[in-house]
This record gives sequence, structure tokens and C-alpha cells, in this order.
Amino acid sequence: GIQVEQSPPDLILQEGANSTLRCNFSDSVNNLQWFHQNPWGQLINLFYIPSGTKQNGRLSATTVATERYSLLYISSSQTTDSGVYFCAVEARLTFGEGTQLTVNP
Amino acid sequence: NAGVTQTPKFQVLKTGQSMTLQCAQDMNHEYMSWYRQDPGMGLRLIHYSVGAGITDQGEVPNGYNVSRSTTEDFPLRLLSAAPSQTSVYFCASSGKTASGNTIYFGEGSWLTVV
Repeated sequence: GIQVEQSPPDLILQEGANSTLRCNFSDSVNNLQWFHQNPWGQLINLFYIPSGTKQNGRLSATTVATERYSLLYISSSQTTDSGVYFCAVEARLTFGEGTQLTVNP
Repeated sequence: NAGVTQTPKFQVLKTGQSMTLQCAQDMNHEYMSWYRQDPGMGLRLIHYSVGAGITDQGEVPNGYNVSRSTTEDFPLRLLSAAPSQTSVYFCASSGKTASGNTIYFGEGSWLTVV
């Protein structure tokens, strides 16, 4: 099956910093989504982005389907951004292992 | 708008016991699925359904059964619980929106098998 790799596995930032999270996938995909899992375990859909670029406030995402990667940008990070960020691909959603983000005040 | 509702939120089982995790959605989504999440890992697909009366296996289906008698409900049954099934279980449903195929997760069910 398709493989999904995320990097970095852990990231610690000071509030206000910017960050880039990466998701590589091993085959072409028709579906790619980014999720945020908050410290209480809730999973929130951030972007549906099989290709192209989308922005939502301080977050934006870009997927380059031909090169099999996607990037999630977080600007001016806040403590509420802490948690685990997952990318998942294809209709039945194969998840990467996530990036644990900690934003310190 | 309740979204995806899972019950129970917490459960402790003894090895060999059976139980059902309930999942209901009120968004009229055709696609529903169950995942498990083990510590430090992403979610793994257990079973999924593309509509009432249709179910299929995901990546880790052994030890679990599902059924889909209505569009709204998608229960997950543990037939004979084992300690390896200690995990957090998430139910999800998805449907097309203006933004694409948006998936909604329930709040999770924490299951411990002793």
C-alpha cells in the first residue's frame, strides 16, 4: 500500500515563530488531507488539498502532486497550535505518524 | 448539529468480553469508517462503509465486526476483547463540501482491555 512519511517527528517553537511541516507519499494520490489533533485528542480537518495551495488564516498548505509531497505552513504560531499534525492520503485515508508540535509561550 | 457522536467515551473490559462501540452521524454522509490510534502513532483503518448495507475491511480488521443497517449508524463490535485491542477508537464520516471531501471525526473512545 501507499506509504506516508511526515517530518519532522517533533517540533518545539516559541510563540510567534513560523514553521513548515512536510508530508511525503509514495504514490500518486487523489485525496490528501491535513488534520490537527489537539492535546485532548480531538481531530480537526484543516485542509483537503490533493493539489495546489490553500490558505485559512495563519495556516496554509501546498501539495505538489507530481513530486509527491505536501507542506503545511503555520505562521505566527500560538500555544493553541500545539498538538499533533497528521496528513492522510487516499479515500480510505492512510495516515502518517504525525508531527508533534509544541508551542511555548 | 451534533456531527459524529461516539459512545462510550471510556470503557474497561476484561479479556474475552465483547462490547459494541456506537457511532452515529446526522450529516447524511454515505461514507463512514472506524480507526484505532495507538500511542505515538497515526490512525489505522479498521473497517469502512460506503453506504447502508455495504461494509469492507481496512488495514487492521481482525477481531472486529461492523454492520451498516442505516445511513446514520455504524457500530463497531469487539467479539472477544484482547489486551492488544487497548487503544483509542475514532469513528468518522465524510461527504463532499465546497472545500472537497471533508471528513469529520467523533471525539474518540478510550478502551482498555485487562
